[in-house]
Amino acid sequence: QSALTQPRSVSGSPGQSVTISCTGTSSDVGSYNYVSWYQEHPGKAPKLMIYDVTKRPSGVPARFSGTKSGNTASLTISGLQAEDEADYYCCSYGGSGSYSVIFGGGTKLTVL
Amino acid sequence: QVQLQESGPGLVKPSDTLSLTCAVSGYSISSNNWWGWIRQPPGKGLEWIGYIYHTGGTYYNPSLKSRVTMSVDTSKNQFSLKLSSVTAVDTAVYYCARKEFGYAFDFWGQGTLVTVPS
Repeated sequence: QSALTQPRSVSGSPGQSVTISCTGTSSDVGSYNYVSWYQEHPGKAPKLMIYDVTKRPSGVPARFSGTKSGNTASLTISGLQAEDEADYYCCSYGGSGSYSVIFGGGTKLTVL
Repeated sequence: QVQLQESGPGLVKPSDTLSLTCAVSGYSISSNNWWGWIRQPPGKGLEWIGYIYHTGGTYYNPSLKSRVTMSVDTSKNQFSLKLSSVTAVDTAVYYCARKEFGYAFDFWGQGTLVTVPS
């Protein structure tokens, strides 16, 4: 199983919106609604931001939203804030009855 | 509040076995959750290692399966990871986490750096 494909970096100014893509295959992202997104600040553990493609855990701001189309999932952050600057990782069920989990390579979000 | 804490040696010799334990507090490990290990080499992305259920059922990353063993101790509310025949490429921050909502990890430990010198 190959890692999911994410852009290495994205950037945006405070108040703007940015979208981070996560491309898998028809065997994983495309077939199951088990995509999650994690925010990771330097030296900190990852934090769950989105699960099951579109759902937000309690405490995650509504500025964070997730979608999926075909084999590509996306995380959109609206109303960018300085504290959103972090690495973001997508994650998906690996499919094929494997019960495995695959992560994306990560995207560095820079708030200009 | 669910809390997880990894512990174990920070330095492991090449060809030895890496052993880590994750202590869970504020939540019973015997509840209906799987418990996972994820690692992150310095400056790189996350890699799923595997997860375990309180009954001992396991699923491992196929790329690591031949070297990974996970176990659970419900009396101590903790679970463990063993990775054999380590090399420098196994140098990473190792995280333990609770699997929830299907295939997401909602609570994570702070992570522990394990170094395997080359």
